[in-house]
Amino acid sequence: QVQLQESGPGLVKPSGTLSLTCAVSGGSISSSDWWSWVRQPPGKGLEWIGEIYHGGSTNYNPSLKSRVTISVDKSKNQFSLKLRSVTAADTAVYYCARFSSGWPNAFDIWGQGTMVTVSS
Amino acid sequence: EIVLTQSPGTLSLSPGERAALSCRASQSVSSSYLAWYQQKPGQAPRLLIYGASSRATGIPDRFSGSGSGTDFTLTISRLEPEDFAVYYCQQYGSSPGYTFGQGTKLEIK
Repeated sequence: QVQLQESGPGLVKPSGTLSLTCAVSGGSISSSDWWSWVRQPPGKGLEWIGEIYHGGSTNYNPSLKSRVTISVDKSKNQFSLKLRSVTAADTAVYYCARFSSGWPNAFDIWGQGTMVTVSS
Repeated sequence: EIVLTQSPGTLSLSPGERAALSCRASQSVSSSYLAWYQQKPGQAPRLLIYGASSRATGIPDRFSGSGSGTDFTLTISRLEPEDFAVYYCQQYGSSPGYTFGQGTKLEIK
């Protein structure tokens, strides 16, 4: 059974870069699925950040596109998020998730989430 | 950008009652790409319904989804104590790729 685990610093300084990694276990990142990052500010709803396919193709939320890079490391079976020029508005729980294409065409696997606070 | 509006924002019901949660899209959404998630405090979202009406693996049959075009509904036939949570609808199909509704909080009356 596929599992996802986020890791990375829990505190990032304003104007810095937020960097997170999602390790995929129990399955291959080279499957026919897309791998996403989704965030949730405290007490608020879910916001999709972007996604990557194992071949390296990416799609990003236009509202974040200028600051986001998502990459994949097939040798380590993981993918990563970099968000540049962060502000307090980027404080959130960050989830990695699998969008299972074809069936069920939804985010069927989620990591437990990791809280990232932007503060000096 | 397709905006998903969920209503009501908060729904107060008692165990055993029926719940109907609405998700309205600003433009037509492909039913193939409309999903519902449940989120409990401190937990990641859990997939409940995909393709607008299909239950995900392990989801009890008291959960059902319906709708098409711009109007979708998640129904919980008889509320169990563990069903009180926040529910999100989500669509995929147009820029920015995926969008979520703002959520409906289902609370115990």
